[in-house]
Amino acid sequence: GAVVSQHPSRVICKSGTSVKIECRSLDFQATTMFWYRQFPKQSLMLMATSNEGSKATYEQGVEKDKFLINHASLTLSTLTVTSAHPEDSSFYICSAKIRDRGQYEQYFGPGTRLTVT
Amino acid sequence: GEDVEQSLFLSVREGDSSVINCTYTDSSSTYLYWYKQEPGAGLQLLTYIFSNMDMKQDQRLTVLLNKKDKHLSLRIADTQTGDSAIYFCAETGADRGSTLGRLYFGRGTQLTVWP
Repeated sequence: GAVVSQHPSRVICKSGTSVKIECRSLDFQATTMFWYRQFPKQSLMLMATSNEGSKATYEQGVEKDKFLINHASLTLSTLTVTSAHPEDSSFYICSAKIRDRGQYEQYFGPGTRLTVT
Repeated sequence: GEDVEQSLFLSVREGDSSVINCTYTDSSSTYLYWYKQEPGAGLQLLTYIFSNMDMKQDQRLTVLLNKKDKHLSLRIADTQTGDSAIYFCAETGADRGSTLGRLYFGRGTQLTVWP
């Protein structure tokens, strides 16, 4: 299957700083990428849909100014957590949507563990 | 409320079959998926089934779909310790708002395989 990478895999930052997480599709182009957040022993919560060349679409309750998403190319989307606070600590997972043989599939990155101290 | 529901835990002995169940609410879902997540890792697509199918088999994995009851199951034959992970059921749902192609996930079933 297609490969999606995330960088960094783990980050620890101080409260009030900003953190950027990258999501790359390695062997295909993805016009649409998704950003999810996962709390311990919980399901994935969709935060936003990132479309190349346009503004991201955020889910209800997700702060656009806090979670900045940029999808500048067909292989890269970034999520920046601005002015991070301890409650932003979580596991962030991206996925890329591709059309394969007439159907859409989503391939997920390995996730980024963010810890805000 | 939740669109997709799964039991949270399942324990089986190595070599037995595992059956993970899932119920969903959106009858217009086109595809239903099973993903596997190992500790600290992202999600790995295991298999999927198109909504007009009743069953799909892929090596040790068998997916059964009962559209009438909106029930999906994943059977893992000859379960191994390496199968221990969290298994997520997901549906595509209808095009809700502008997020075409988004997935709706259950909370995941923690499968523990005992040697």
